[in-house]
Amino acid sequence: SYELTQPPSVSVSPGQTARITCSGDALPKKYAYWYQQKSGQAPVLVIYEDSKRPSGIPERFSGSSSGTMATLTISGAQVEDEADYYCYSTDSSGNLWVFGGGTKLTVL
Amino acid sequence: EVQLVESGGGLVQPGGSLRLSCAASGFTFSSYWMTWVRQAPGRGPEWVANIKQDGSEKYYVDSVKGRFTISRDNAKNTLYLQMNSLRAEDTAVYYCARDRTTHDYWGQGSLVTVSS
Repeated sequence: SYELTQPPSVSVSPGQTARITCSGDALPKKYAYWYQQKSGQAPVLVIYEDSKRPSGIPERFSGSSSGTMATLTISGAQVEDEADYYCYSTDSSGNLWVFGGGTKLTVL
Repeated sequence: EVQLVESGGGLVQPGGSLRLSCAASGFTFSSYWMTWVRQAPGRGPEWVANIKQDGSEKYYVDSVKGRFTISRDNAKNTLYLQMNSLRAEDTAVYYCARDRTTHDYWGQGSLVTVSS
């Protein structure tokens, strides 16, 4: 079965840049999506189609993808950005979807 | 305002069945793929199944194939997930989400607990 691999944790100080990676064999041909999830809440979409930002998401959130790796970048991370972040994409068939294992972002 | 409201969760014994519903409003339901995602306690989200606008295409994660059935009623703006032969590992909060790819709207979730 298809897998997306993320680092379990990333830690930065407020104002620093946080980068969270996601690797998957199908990413060269399939879009990556990124979700933020805070405790007890449903996931919130922060990046779609590799690099597009939904309305209402702060400009400090950006995404990129190159080869088999997608990256979520939070420029000038804020304390309120502390959350779990999940990448999401599909396998080569385009029919089966998977979430990455998640990355816990700590900002302190 | 887009709203997705799940219902039907609860406690069920192993081997039992439940049907989840997701009532949609605030958008043209029949124009969107719909998706079920679940999240076990302390774990990350897991894509479960999705269904095309007219119900002609349905896809499932391997672990639920043959046990779960996704369906929809466009006249009632409602998405369903029929869950049979439930196992302890199916215990999770089940969310419905709009669209096949860009899940821009999610419901609040419905807790399913499989335990004797």
